[in-house]
Amino acid sequence: QVQLVQSGAEVKKPGASVKVSCKASGYTFTSYGISWVRQAPGQGLEWMGWISAYNGNTNYAQKLQGRVTMTTDTSTSTAYMELRSLRSDDTAVYYCARQKLRFLEIDYWGQGTLVTVSS
Amino acid sequence: QSVLTQPPSVSAAPGQKVTISCSGSSSNIGNNYVSWYQQLPGTAPKLLIYENNKRPSGIPDRFSGSKSGTSATLGITGLQTGDEADYYCGTWDSSLSAGWVFGGGTKLTVL
Repeated sequence: QVQLVQSGAEVKKPGASVKVSCKASGYTFTSYGISWVRQAPGQGLEWMGWISAYNGNTNYAQKLQGRVTMTTDTSTSTAYMELRSLRSDDTAVYYCARQKLRFLEIDYWGQGTLVTVSS
Repeated sequence: QSVLTQPPSVSAAPGQKVTISCSGSSSNIGNNYVSWYQQLPGTAPKLLIYENNKRPSGIPDRFSGSKSGTSATLGITGLQTGDEADYYCGTWDSSLSAGWVFGGGTKLTVL
């Protein structure tokens, strides 16, 4: 069965960086892409970007351009999302999710990683 | 403010039917597939409907989707208390700031 298992909760200070991992199993990793979606406390879903696990092509949300980097390690079927220059409004649950192509549906989600930004 | 517009909340009694609307534009819903997600309290979202009206394996046929022009609708019949959740529509937006967009979410209360 498809599984996306994310790394644990993080607490960071404003200005720091965070890197969240997402280990995939149960499917051919390079046949799909990975999207990252975040959800601030009590708020809706916000798409952050998508990366192709086949060739590493990325498509980032305009709002996060320059602060976010998404990568994959095909040898371990793991995707990573790094967010830099953290601010308090980056406090959210971050989800990785499988998405074959960036314009198609997101079909499986990780369990989420809470990132708290606080001084 | 979300690119896709959903009602903040809907409610209905057990056994009844409810619909949730999702309104967009020609750059998103009008020219791309719509999918719907259910998020139970404290859990990750789950895919309910894809390509406007298809159900993944394991999703009961009480859930249905449709699309017309720049709007989409999620229908749920035979409401159960376990259906209480937040529901989100999503699609690709091919405007200048191309990317995936979600609706603001709709809280379903089963009275």
